[in-house]
Amino acid sequence: DAGVTQSPTHLIKTRGQQVTLRCSPKSGHDTVSWYQQALGQGPQFIFQYYEEEERQRGNFPDRFSGHQFPNYSSELNVNALLLGDSALYLCASSLGTIGRDQPQHFGDGTRLSIL
Amino acid sequence: DAKTTQPPSMDCAEGRAANLPCNHSTISGNEYVYWYRQIHSQGPQYIIHGLKNNETNEMASLIITEDRKSSTLILPHATLRDTAVYYCIVRVAPLDSGYSTLTFGKGTMLLVSP
Repeated sequence: DAGVTQSPTHLIKTRGQQVTLRCSPKSGHDTVSWYQQALGQGPQFIFQYYEEEERQRGNFPDRFSGHQFPNYSSELNVNALLLGDSALYLCASSLGTIGRDQPQHFGDGTRLSIL
Repeated sequence: DAKTTQPPSMDCAEGRAANLPCNHSTISGNEYVYWYRQIHSQGPQYIIHGLKNNETNEMASLIITEDRKSSTLILPHATLRDTAVYYCIVRVAPLDSGYSTLTFGKGTMLLVSP
């Protein structure tokens, strides 16, 4: 049973470029959340997708956008990259059932470096 | 979600129990206590969670005080592979919020030594 998988594992971009990161959730999960982790900090919530819609968003600018596909996989897009966007981007999946407390399971992330 | 307070670092000898404290004095009645850990260069790994009662699984035990204002994660026999950053998080149960996310602090860096 595969866990959460993310691609690519590492990526180097330059300022102003655009990037797309991908995530496949754990089998049986229907909810995907994205987090940004700067060096030495805990992960910070970006947004969450359920039933192909963004249903909650953290304090991130509109340059950060996402998508969820019918098979529950998800993409994170970042436009007009800044040096400060250099970070580990983590995807977490869970089962979005109201009334049941379900832990989120994380992938190992995509390390994005901006030059 | 309630704020948590953890010591920045702790040391533990291999084979001994590691007891990681967490203070969450402003926790609400509908908030769960979650523990995750993050080994270097990996994503956070779910360990355990609880609401009121003590919990145990194959990885660890979670002891929550009666007033729920603090908790302790116990790794009964720490190994070198348990060296990681441990995060204590409190969050509202999905029943009350419809959905919920995780708010991470800086966690506790646990160093297990031979």
